[in-house]
Amino acid sequence: GAVVSQHPSRVICKSGTSVKIECRSLDFQATTMFWYRQFPKQSLMLMATSNEGSKATYEQGVEKDKFLINHASLTLSTLTVTSAHPEDSSFYICSARDASSSGNTIYFGEGSWLTVV
Amino acid sequence: KQEVTQIPAALSVPEGENLVLNCSFTDSAIYNLQWFRQDPGKGLTSLLLIQSSQREQTSGRLNASLDKSSGRSTLYIAASQPGDSATYLCAVLSSDSWGKLQFGAGTQVVVTP
Repeated sequence: GAVVSQHPSRVICKSGTSVKIECRSLDFQATTMFWYRQFPKQSLMLMATSNEGSKATYEQGVEKDKFLINHASLTLSTLTVTSAHPEDSSFYICSARDASSSGNTIYFGEGSWLTVV
Repeated sequence: KQEVTQIPAALSVPEGENLVLNCSFTDSAIYNLQWFRQDPGKGLTSLLLIQSSQREQTSGRLNASLDKSSGRSTLYIAASQPGDSATYLCAVLSSDSWGKLQFGAGTQVVVTP
């Protein structure tokens, strides 16, 4: 079946540095991908919608300059957390919409745990 | 705006009992509803996907029902096992959302041996 690969699965970075998370659709084209964030013991909150070849659409309250999203190809979207702070430590997960499937199926990556120290 | 609520927030049952997890949503104009499992420190595992035209889906010990008109879905897990301990999330794909899922806060399940 379709698979969405997310990398890295875990990353530790120092405060002030930037970290990039990749989301790849392995056997389908994803014109639209989504980035979610999950704080401990809370549900997943949508951060932004990533559209191939155009600017991402951010949800209210999400800083565009801090969470840079690039969707340069039909199989890859990246989320870059810039100037990371400890409060950015969270679980980030992407999903990709397979528009070619009859049900517009959404597939999730396995998520990335970010720890900022 | 679609809102998804899951009750209860936490549930503890002895092994062998059946589990009943509830999910409600405010806007019945949905494309589908999906149940996920999340283990601590792990990502999401998709359990069941119910299209808006369906009433239920079954996979092994799992059965999910959908009543779109009342905005409810229920996940049943028969004969629970300690390995079923996890957080269960339901997520709704609204008809006009183009792929944006709205998640409930989850139900944390503990099955004791």
